[in-house]
Amino acid sequence: EVQLVQSGAEVKKPGESLKISCKGSGYTFSNYWIGWVRQMPGKGLEWMGIIYPRDSDTRYSPSFQGQVTISADKSISTAYLQWSSLKASDTAMYYCARRDIVVVSGTIVGDAFHIWGHGTMVTVSS
Amino acid sequence: EIVLTQSPGTLSLSPGERATLTCRASQSVSRSFLAWYQQKPGQAPRLLIYGASSRATGIPDRFSGSGSGTDFTLTISRLEPEDFAVYYCQQYGGSLFTFGPGTKVDIK
Repeated sequence: EVQLVQSGAEVKKPGESLKISCKGSGYTFSNYWIGWVRQMPGKGLEWMGIIYPRDSDTRYSPSFQGQVTISADKSISTAYLQWSSLKASDTAMYYCARRDIVVVSGTIVGDAFHIWGHGTMVTVSS
Repeated sequence: EIVLTQSPGTLSLSPGERATLTCRASQSVSRSFLAWYQQKPGQAPRLLIYGASSRATGIPDRFSGSGSGTDFTLTISRLEPEDFAVYYCQQYGGSLFTFGPGTKVDIK
């Protein structure tokens, strides 16, 4: 079964650092981009960035560039999202998701996040 | 950056009725890069439609997607009780993904 398993909920204080994880199984982890999505309480989905584990090519949303770091360790099929100094406004659910690019006869016919992790709740409070 | 808007913000319907949700982009989006997701309370999003009109694995055929350019539609032909949820459109362009703000489909 293809799945993404995320690390557990975290409660942190402002200014602390944090690294959450997303472990893929049931497929060749290196071959698929992994994206991160934020959902603040009661709000919508926000795309944060994406990484290709094979070569660690990483792209960030302008809204999150410089605010977080996305990384991956293909040897253990795990992607990471980290903060160096958390703020209360980082309180949110964070999802990882696998990007599937569907190609038919050499043409891309679909590019979307087919597989999602269950989410990691991060609470930042003094 | 392409901005997506969704309408209506909330759609109040009864089971068995037809739901039509709209996603409009600030500039043209390739059909290949337009997707729809469903999210229920306390759950992760689930992919419904990719490539504007292709159903994802396991998605019932009462869900359909259409559109091109800047205007896309998700249609639920007959609402089942489990379809009451929030629906998001998403696009990919210029190495960036963006989500729309969502449409909540609730029970009338």
